[in-house]
Amino acid sequence: AQSVTQLDSHVSVSEGTPVLLRCNYSSSYSPSLFWYVQHPNKGLQLLLKYTSAATLVKGINGFEAEFKKSETSFHLTKPSAHMSDAAEYFCVVSDQDNFNKFYFGSGTKLNVKP
Amino acid sequence: EPEVTQTPSHQVTQMGQEVILRCVPISNHLYFYWYRQILGQKVEFLVSFYNNEISEKSEIFDDQFSVERPDGSNFTLKIRSTKLEDSAMYFCASSASGGLGVKTQYFGPGTRLTVL
Repeated sequence: AQSVTQLDSHVSVSEGTPVLLRCNYSSSYSPSLFWYVQHPNKGLQLLLKYTSAATLVKGINGFEAEFKKSETSFHLTKPSAHMSDAAEYFCVVSDQDNFNKFYFGSGTKLNVKP
Repeated sequence: EPEVTQTPSHQVTQMGQEVILRCVPISNHLYFYWYRQILGQKVEFLVSFYNNEISEKSEIFDDQFSVERPDGSNFTLKIRSTKLEDSAMYFCASSASGGLGVKTQYFGPGTRLTVL
């Protein structure tokens, strides 16, 4: 079965400093990986996705993630945090056996300090 | 930008009552999903639905649960006799058809169900 581990439940950064949200996955096959963000009282918004094309994936709002097969990781980064980035972030994996089924990580709450 | 909507945003019910959670998927999407997140736990897959039938369901999705697409726009999740442990945030999602491979799922804001 697929699974996703988000290594930090909470991350706190200062505005203007880099963001790193960590995600490791387990998958028997070449996975498809996603990052979603959830702002309070909002739906889960897609940030970016990896589907076996380029290993460095760029998403919305300046976020990017790098797929590293050897490390089974898909960490999310942003060079400079903005106050509006404060939200909860979910790493998600889907596999070739069943494209319709998503497996979620436990989420990382990002706090951005002024 | 089209988005998935869900109603109500919060539903409070008594144990043993039936509830229906409603979703309006993105209009040209053909695949529909329900997930739930119990407080403090991961978001879990419940069921996927395509071409008017369930394509996959998890162990959680027992006989107490059902899904329906009653018309061209709504997608509903019914819980026949709610239990305390059904209290959770329920997310609806939809994805487009076409081709093989992963279909990006677009999520609604969720319905928080509280069973007393």
